Amino acid sequence: QKEVEQNSGPLSVPEGAIASLNCTYSDRGSQSFFWYRQYSGKSPELIMSIYSNGDKEDGRFTAQLNKASQYVSLLIRDSQPSDSATYLCAGVFYNTDKLIFGTGTRLQVFP
Amino acid sequence: ETGVTQSPTHLIKTRGQQVTLRCSSQSGHNTVSWYQQALGQGPQFIFQYYREEENGRGNFPPRFSGLQFPNYSSELNVNALELDDSALYLCASSLGGGTQETQYFGPGTRLLVL
Repeated sequence: QKEVEQNSGPLSVPEGAIASLNCTYSDRGSQSFFWYRQYSGKSPELIMSIYSNGDKEDGRFTAQLNKASQYVSLLIRDSQPSDSATYLCAGVFYNTDKLIFGTGTRLQVFP
Repeated sequence: ETGVTQSPTHLIKTRGQQVTLRCSSQSGHNTVSWYQQALGQGPQFIFQYYREEENGRGNFPPRFSGLQFPNYSSELNVNALELDDSALYLCASSLGGGTQETQYFGPGTRLLVL
C-alpha cells in the first residue's frame, strides 16, 4: 500500500510556463510534507516544507496543502530549463520520524 | 551544499560480501536517517539514529544494521550482499527527530553488487 503517490511523468512544459506537480497521500494523520528536487545522479535537495493547510510561497515556488482532500502540490512559475529534474514529494506521518517518499515526477522544461 | 558528507562515493562489491558506508552529519545535527534509492524509485527509509540510539526502522532485513557515534556521525552496514542491494544509499541529518524537522541529504554512496 503506497502512502505517497506521484505521477512519474514526464511532465513537459515550455520555458516561462507554470509547472504543476501533484502528490496524494493515504494517511489522514499526516504531519508535514516536503518537496525535494533531484537532478540525475545527484541527491535530493530541499525546495520547500509545508505543515499547514493553504499555500506557502518561496520565490518562484508555491506549495499547497489540502489535508481534507489529502493532496500536496508544487507550482513552479516562470519555469526554466534548469528546473528540469525529478521532484520528490515526501511526508512525515503521525507518530513516526521517517520520511515517506513518492516515486517522483520527472519535469522537463523545454526552451 | 548541506554540510552532510558521505563516503565512499562509489563502491563495487560482489554478492555475499559485506559493506560499510559512512556519513557525517551537518554541524549541530543529532539525528541521522538512512535511505536506499533504487533506480527510478523514491528513497526508501532504512532506519534513523537519534543520539546514538536507533529511533525507527523501515522494512529492511536485519542484515542492514547501523550505529551512530558520539559525534553523531553514522555507519550503515550491509551483510551478505544481494544483487538487489545495488542502489544509491543516502543519509540525511536533522536536528532532533521531530516530525517537522527538515532532513538534509548528503551526496550519497552508489553501491553496485555484482
